This record gives sequence, C-alpha cells and structure tokens, in this order.
Amino acid sequence: DSGVTQTPKHLITATGQRVTLRCSPRSGDLSVYWYQQSLDQGLQFLIQYYNGEERAKGNILERFSAQQFPDLHSELNLSSLELGDSALYFCASSVGGGAGNTIYFGEGSWLTVV
Amino acid sequence: SQQGEEDPQALSIQEGENATMNCSYKTSINNLQWYRQNSGRGLVHLILIRSNEREKHSGRLRVTLDTSKKSSSLLITASRAADTASYFCATEGAGSYQLTFGKGTKLSVIP
Repeated sequence: DSGVTQTPKHLITATGQRVTLRCSPRSGDLSVYWYQQSLDQGLQFLIQYYNGEERAKGNILERFSAQQFPDLHSELNLSSLELGDSALYFCASSVGGGAGNTIYFGEGSWLTVV
Repeated sequence: SQQGEEDPQALSIQEGENATMNCSYKTSINNLQWYRQNSGRGLVHLILIRSNEREKHSGRLRVTLDTSKKSSSLLITASRAADTASYFCATEGAGSYQLTFGKGTKLSVIP
C-alpha cells in the first residue's frame, strides 16, 4: 500500500458527462501528480500541484481541470467526456515538488465512457 | 510523447533465470526511475538512479545508467513467479519536475 488513496476505483459514465476523481496523497507529501494510462498512449503526465499551486502541466486536455485543496487532497475534473477518455487515471504524490523525488502512485481510478 | 523506450516489449523466462530490460531515452535527465506494475494495479517504485550515478543495487535488482548512450538497464536476478509484471522506466528531464514514462516491458516468469 503506497498510502495514496484514490476514489472511485471504477466509474462508468456516458459520453458528454462530467466526472470528478479524488485523491488523498500520502501523509506529509505536498506534491500531487495526475497521470492517464491508456493502451494506445501509455502513461501520460497530466498535471502536478505543489502545496496548492500548479507546478507543471503536461498533456492535459482543456476539458480536464484539476486543483489541490488546502488539506492537500486533489481532484481531477473531466468534462464533456468522449469514448477516448476511457482510461486508468492515476494520482501520485511526493514529499517535494522538485527534482529527484520518489513518486508514489495510488491504485488508480478506472474510467469507462460508454 | 514517450521519452523512454523499453526493450524488449515482452520477455518470458523460467523461474530462477535472470531478466534484463533496457531503456533508452532522448534528452538530458536529472534521474531515471524504474517502476513495476502488476496488471491493472498501481505503479510501485523500484529504484531511482541519478544522472551522476552509474550503477545501483536494491536486493535482487541492479540498475545501470549510461548517460553517454542515453540508456539504462534493469536486471532482476533469480527471478520468481511473483516478478511477473510490467516494468517501466521513467525519466525526469533536466529542468523538469515531471516523470516521462516509456511503454514498458511485460515480463512473464514461468514457474
């Protein structure tokens, strides 16, 4: 158990809908990362927050947004969902927000868009 | 886009044999990390090697890094059936805080 908690574990929703994925980082970790894993694209970095502030942005679509709250938990909002958004979404956390941090991954949230 | 590219894509070995997986990358890095993922599960951090290190060991794992060739290898010695998983290399680029993952090597260890 990495200590990173993600909910929900599984989610099935229809195209055009909006969902929110939730993440609680490991105790003491200030940095949260979101990754998307799909068969065709592999593991793609979406976004990183450090202590409530956006630190780095990757291949995150405009339909997706994220935030990190004062208690350090994070949410990833996915809207106007398309079939291609079906994937495993990982949250990860690390102590620091800079280079050389070990990043710990949660078990992921399986999203199926039908 | 993927920074690291693992080779081979799939590897099948007998229990007790050694498994070697390779990773190549394209740009300068701060460090390179190896992760394991059991089917449909989260990624588990195995080892981090910094750009100024050449070799690192952790239990049955040995990682090498050759920055001149922009490549790394992960050796698992005396493999066990429980080592069956996908293995990913991830690079942290110079000046970047994000990890860029390869597509992974799927290792099957046959009892």
